[in-house]
Amino acid sequence: NAGVMQNPRHLVRRRGQEARLRCSPMKGHSHVYWYRQLPEEGLKFMVYLQKENIIDESGMPKERFSAEFPKEGPSILRIQQVVRGDSAAYFCASSPWLAGLNNEQFFGPGTRLTVL
Amino acid sequence: AQTVTQSQPEMSVQEAETVTLSCTYDTSESNYYLFWYKQPPSRQMILVIRQEAYKQQNATENRFSVNFQKAAKSFSLKISDSQLGDTAMYFCAFLKQGGSEKLVFGKGTKLTVNP
Repeated sequence: NAGVMQNPRHLVRRRGQEARLRCSPMKGHSHVYWYRQLPEEGLKFMVYLQKENIIDESGMPKERFSAEFPKEGPSILRIQQVVRGDSAAYFCASSPWLAGLNNEQFFGPGTRLTVL
Repeated sequence: AQTVTQSQPEMSVQEAETVTLSCTYDTSESNYYLFWYKQPPSRQMILVIRQEAYKQQNATENRFSVNFQKAAKSFSLKISDSQLGDTAMYFCAFLKQGGSEKLVFGKGTKLTVNP
């Protein structure tokens, strides 16, 4: 059973470009979470999605950031008009059902975004 | 809102010795989970150990054990017989049970195991 897959592993963008980060959850998992890790910091929650639904986006910046988890295909975190402050590692995690019900979140290897 | 505090930015230990990493948290919830994650230089997040708040018994996983003090809101990680492969960032995390499923992380402790 393959783990959580993220691609690309490294992404370089110039200011003003768009960044698309992809996450394929573990097989059988229908819950996806995105976290951001700034340099020298812990991970911070961004958004929680189930198939075709955004459940909690309280950690997402109000502008330029969006996320989706379609019925088919990977979850996408999209950052429009990137700025240098968006440079960070972005982690995706998945779980088969509610993590609060004794199921852990399994993390992918992360995508390191660098904005020039 | 919940907060997690790790007061030791860096620690070091000699191989084969024991080290304890500190974590405190603040919450008004009574049902929750606590975790320790390891992040080696590869940056992969690896679950080390978990503790359910309703369990009084401290969790253990081989060389890793926790000291969970619910009243004091403290959740320290003890690593026994430290190995070079334990060198990593260690993050303490909180998860509220039955609510939004977001993990709340501390800022981490960088542990170096010296030969």
